[in-house]
Amino acid sequence: DIQMTQSPSSVSASVGDRVTITCRAGQNINKYLNWYQQRPGKAPKLLIYAASRLQNGVPSRFSGSGSETDFTLTINNLQPEDLATYSCQQTYSNPSFGGGTKVEIK
Amino acid sequence: EVQLVESGGGLVQPGGSLRLSCVASGFTFSAYTMNWVRQAPGKGLEWLSFITGDGESVLYTHSLKGRFTISRDNAKNSLFLQMNSLTDEDTALYHCAREVDGSDSSRLDHWGQGTLVTVSS
Repeated sequence: DIQMTQSPSSVSASVGDRVTITCRAGQNINKYLNWYQQRPGKAPKLLIYAASRLQNGVPSRFSGSGSETDFTLTINNLQPEDLATYSCQQTYSNPSFGGGTKVEIK
Repeated sequence: EVQLVESGGGLVQPGGSLRLSCVASGFTFSAYTMNWVRQAPGKGLEWLSFITGDGESVLYTHSLKGRFTISRDNAKNSLFLQMNSLTDEDTALYHCAREVDGSDSSRLDHWGQGTLVTVSS
């Protein structure tokens, strides 16, 4: 199975800040990388697919980049409702998730 | 509106079995691959299994070691997960999720709220 490593495990930032989360794959996964947001007590929500494509209805302050083994999720102009855990997922082979990054608002 | 509603969770003793269900609405169920994903308390998401729309192909994460079986009934818009030989490590919130496949992507675009499974004596 392909190991997915996210960093940091948690981050605290202020409203209006930019937050960057990274995800590293254990092998080349091309661009088969998705990002999900999970707000407290809620089901996961798809944010980004194919590394950089914004899911319909997701605010444009969210963006994704990367390919092969290194990927980034960026949240620009952090909002209070962005308090959540963000997880990456590879679907290049047997799907697997990263460990998650908890975003807290200062 | 796409809706996925899981049920069947509960408290079960170690070594016991449980069958989870997920009822879908708002889309043509048989046209979509469906997945099960779980989240143990304080842990990250763990992908478990998928089944194609026609039910012909299934895949499981290696760690399940044959204890779980995914199935579906397209006539009833339902997805199932039969779980056997349960251990405390199977305690988690279990989500079903719809998969969308593209030429260069595969993603879970709708998720249910989950059903809680607690394995304890």
